[in-house]
Amino acid sequence: GAGVSQSPRYKVAKRGQDVALRCDPISGHVSLFWYQQALGQGPEFLTYFQNEAQLDKSGLPSDRFFAERPEGSVSTLKIQRTQQEDSAVYLCASANAGRGALEQYFGPGTRLTVT
Amino acid sequence: QQPVQSPQAVILREGEDAVINCSSSKALYSVHWYRQKHGEAPVFLMILLKGGEQKGHDKISASFNEKKQQSSLYLTASQLSYSGTYFCGTEILGQNFVFGPGTRLSVLP
Repeated sequence: GAGVSQSPRYKVAKRGQDVALRCDPISGHVSLFWYQQALGQGPEFLTYFQNEAQLDKSGLPSDRFFAERPEGSVSTLKIQRTQQEDSAVYLCASANAGRGALEQYFGPGTRLTVT
Repeated sequence: QQPVQSPQAVILREGEDAVINCSSSKALYSVHWYRQKHGEAPVFLMILLKGGEQKGHDKISASFNEKKQQSSLYLTASQLSYSGTYFCGTEILGQNFVFGPGTRLSVLP
């Protein structure tokens, strides 16, 4: 079956622009995670959804970052007024049950470059 | 709090063994291991739950020492395809899932 997909795969934004990154999880997966991965680093947690409910957004670095999953499937991560420090790969992962001790299936990521 | 991984990097010849360690200062509920190849998504290897279990498939296995809050990943008779960055992820009940900084493994022919 289809895995997790993300679009766009690459995005170049000028500083100050808004961007929207999309994640299509595996069908039926309850849990959805967003991570930010800087070059040479491990993925850092941003936010977690269980169905349409955003249960944890403690990793979002500022109020310029906003995520939604209105129908409990597709999710969008929006970054307003992008800054150079936002340049990173943004990974989405889904899992087929609630939060604990789950195998996460990752998408290929969106590489965001802010110039 | 981010777990600590060691070593940071390791270079092996095909057929050699390696051990990657992951430790935390917090009481862990589970430890996850993922492998990421350059430019690709992390791929799940295995999960270990508290209770000190050991798991494995093929020539890759792992253990979890609950008392020490430490997990080790064992790569036996390494293959070229094992090259990549290995991340442990630690889970504390009620808190975020946190990845370690990664261990870069290079297997040479």
